[in-house]
Amino acid sequence: QSALTQPASVSGSPGQSITISCTGTSSDVGTYNLVSWYQQYPGKAPKLMIYEVSKRPSGVSNRFSGSKSGNTASLTISGLQAEDEADYYCCSYAYNSTLVFGGGTKLTVL
Amino acid sequence: EVQLVESGGGLVQPGGSLRLSCAASGFTFSSYWMHWVRQAPGKGLVWVSRINSDGRSTNYADSVKGRFTISRDNAKNTLNLQMNSLRAEDTAVYYCVSGHVVLDYWGQGTLVTVSS
Repeated sequence: QSALTQPASVSGSPGQSITISCTGTSSDVGTYNLVSWYQQYPGKAPKLMIYEVSKRPSGVSNRFSGSKSGNTASLTISGLQAEDEADYYCCSYAYNSTLVFGGGTKLTVL
Repeated sequence: EVQLVESGGGLVQPGGSLRLSCAASGFTFSSYWMHWVRQAPGKGLVWVSRINSDGRSTNYADSVKGRFTISRDNAKNTLNLQMNSLRAEDTAVYYCVSGHVVLDYWGQGTLVTVSS
């Protein structure tokens, strides 16, 4: 149950697009289209942003999109806004009926 | 409105036990899988355990297997986590979360501190 690999930090200017990667293995990300992404503000509970690789829950901005290629999933945020500054976590279902998170990525809006 | 309210956190000595509870409302609790996810201070999210809708199937992270037990009472809309043989590394905010594989709704968390 090793954690998925995410960059510790990413940054971008307002209006730009950024992409956060999430690398797993053939035992999790590579086999299952069950990758989800969560946004977390300091001191707050996480919020679901993307599920099943690329689906958006009702109420989530279409500036957020997800994709997957092989063992790596990605979250893209377009038209970056100050309110997007937060921590982002990926999560995947794994072969042994467990879930595994990434280490988290701190997004800074410059 | 979906509400998940955790309780039972606090300070416990290494080797001790603690029981967390989560009161659910605003949705049909008995139809949903439920999870516990934890977050150590300043660290990332870590999945701990999940239980299916009728309570007959459970899964655990290797780090807590044999020490933690997840359970639920669908009549009382309550999720529980019995934590035994606690270690310093179990110190974290514990979140109650609904969903099968997708973690739809999160509680605000309860802090567990394991220290002498």
